[in-house]
Amino acid sequence: GAVVSQHPSRVICKSGTSVKIECRSLDFQATTMFWYRQFPKQSLMLMATSNEGSKATYEQGVEKDKFLINHASLTLSTLTVTSAHPEDSSFYICSVWGEDTQYFGPGTRLTVL
Amino acid sequence: AQTVTQSQPEMSVQEAETVTLSCTYDTSENNYYLFWYKQPPSRQMILVIRQEAYKQQNATENRFSVNFQKAAKSFSLKISDSQLGDTAMYFCAFMKHDLNFNKFYFGSGTKLNVKP
Repeated sequence: GAVVSQHPSRVICKSGTSVKIECRSLDFQATTMFWYRQFPKQSLMLMATSNEGSKATYEQGVEKDKFLINHASLTLSTLTVTSAHPEDSSFYICSVWGEDTQYFGPGTRLTVL
Repeated sequence: AQTVTQSQPEMSVQEAETVTLSCTYDTSENNYYLFWYKQPPSRQMILVIRQEAYKQQNATENRFSVNFQKAAKSFSLKISDSQLGDTAMYFCAFMKHDLNFNKFYFGSGTKLNVKP
């Protein structure tokens, strides 16, 4: 299956700053990537579908101006949390669609102070 | 809309024994995929097993097997010879097969504790 990496694995930032999370498909060209958010002891919540070369598709209730997604190449998608606030603290996971399944990155833990 | 229900928030099993995790789903689609993912304490999501709805034969991957009942919309996971490393959250997921729409719907998860 596809190997997916995320960077950074952990990030702590001050309220009001922006944070960028990278998702890379290391061995697979991914036209579609997904971004999820997971709160403690809860399931994954899909935030948006990232399509290479086009605008991301956001799920209902997800602020597209706050969670900026860029999928500039077949191996890289980025999620930027703009003007982060403590309530944005969460575990963010990306995934790659390939071979009739999704392969997930290791996740990024964001803590906003 | 598709929904996935895991009715067992937490389960325990003794090492080497067998455990079954339940999953039901609701859909009007006829062509879809079902998955079980494992999320250990590291929080890395790992694919355990996948089932195509058009296949009647239940999928098997080593100690992991499923009981897929399409009419009942049930997709349970059986873990045989449980090992300590099987301790994790297990998520059932549904995906509608569509070239342009590969959205996953996840269940709420079942926390499995394998006891020595």
